[in-house]
Amino acid sequence: DAGVIQSPRHEVTEMGQEVTLRCKPISGHNSLFWYRQTMMRGLELLIYFNNNVPIDDSGMPEDRFSAKMPNASFSTLKIQPSEPRDSAVYFCASRGQGMFNEQFFGPGTRLTVL
Amino acid sequence: RKEVEQDPGPFNVPEGATVAFNCTYSNSASQSFFWYRQDCRKEPKLLMSVYSSGNEDGRFTAQLNRASQYISLLIRDSKLSDSATYLCAVNYGGSQGNLIFGKGTKLSVKP
Repeated sequence: DAGVIQSPRHEVTEMGQEVTLRCKPISGHNSLFWYRQTMMRGLELLIYFNNNVPIDDSGMPEDRFSAKMPNASFSTLKIQPSEPRDSAVYFCASRGQGMFNEQFFGPGTRLTVL
Repeated sequence: RKEVEQDPGPFNVPEGATVAFNCTYSNSASQSFFWYRQDCRKEPKLLMSVYSSGNEDGRFTAQLNRASQYISLLIRDSKLSDSATYLCAVNYGGSQGNLIFGKGTKLSVKP
């Protein structure tokens, strides 16, 4: 069974460039989460969607970050313009209906902004 | 404020040792709790859910103390392969809510 799919797995870009991270959740899951992980701050929730609708984006650092979920099988996280402090691992996770269900994580995108 | 706190470690233990991790949370309304394991440069994966009555899975035991707002993970007879970072996660926001993760506790099991 395919798990959560993320692309790209690695991204190296220069400051000021636009970065788009992509996620395909597990089929049938109705909740999707974007996290960022750094050594200093740990795993931080950026935004999550239920049934393609953004529920809480309070974790999005600033206006440079935006996320969309146009349908149940695809989501993007965009950073424009990127900055060196955005360097981190970005994880996407999905979950079936209900808070007692497990969140399944994708393999992550390792972003380096030079 | 949503907070989940863990001792970052590292915990360095010999094979066969018993080790315990605690995790405190701030929201008394939280209803679901989890322990995740994360290997180096990998994604977190669910180790076990934590139930009110406590639960055991082989060498692993998880417990919940609602009064003191903490969850614990006990690993008995630790193996080299248990070396990883252990993240606790607590639900916020009810049925449509999300998980807040602790920063993780690093465990290193030595021969």
